[in-house]
Amino acid sequence: NAGVMQNPRHLVRRRGQEARLRCSPMKGHSHVYWYRQLPEEGLKFMVYLQKENIIDESGMPKERFSAEFPKEGPSILRIQQVVRGDSAAYFCASSPGTSGSLGIHDEQFFGPGTRLTVL
Amino acid sequence: QKEVEQDPGPLSVPEGAIVSLNCTYSNSAFQYFMWYRQYSRKGPELLMYTYSSGNKEDGRFTAQVDKSSKYISLFIRDSQPSDSATYLCAMSISNFGNEKLTFGTGTRLTIIP
Repeated sequence: NAGVMQNPRHLVRRRGQEARLRCSPMKGHSHVYWYRQLPEEGLKFMVYLQKENIIDESGMPKERFSAEFPKEGPSILRIQQVVRGDSAAYFCASSPGTSGSLGIHDEQFFGPGTRLTVL
Repeated sequence: QKEVEQDPGPLSVPEGAIVSLNCTYSNSAFQYFMWYRQYSRKGPELLMYTYSSGNKEDGRFTAQVDKSSKYISLFIRDSQPSDSATYLCAMSISNFGNEKLTFGTGTRLTIIP
């Protein structure tokens, strides 16, 4: 049973280019989360998606960042017109989505991350 | 003030020692408490998860939660060099599916053989 897969593992972009990060959740998981980890900092929540729906984007920067999780295919985190401050490790996590009832925690499994470097 | 505070370390201890890692939090709505281990250049992996005050044990690891003090701890007994990693505490409110995790900054731990 494959875990969460992310690609590419390393991505180099020049300032002003676009970055597309892909995340394939674990089999049977319908919930996807994106987190960003800056050097010497913990992981910061960005966005929470279910198939074709954005559930919580409270951690997404207002401009240049977008995310989607289509009915078919991986989840995509898209960063337009990248700047040096976007250099970070971006982690995707998935969960089965069984927390429909209050009091049930939905465990998140993390992928290996995509390390984005902006030159 | 950050919602979750964690001493970044680094922390170095000799093999076999007991390690204590701690986090404090300010948001009393947090109900679920987790410890993740992250090896260099890898994704975090869940070590332990608990939702009630008190202790939870799993092998050499014990997670402790004190909701009245808003304080959580992870103890590692008989520490091994393979325990060298960054340890992240994480918390969630888990209110009808709002499962975003709030992390501490992580404590870098080195076990010296």
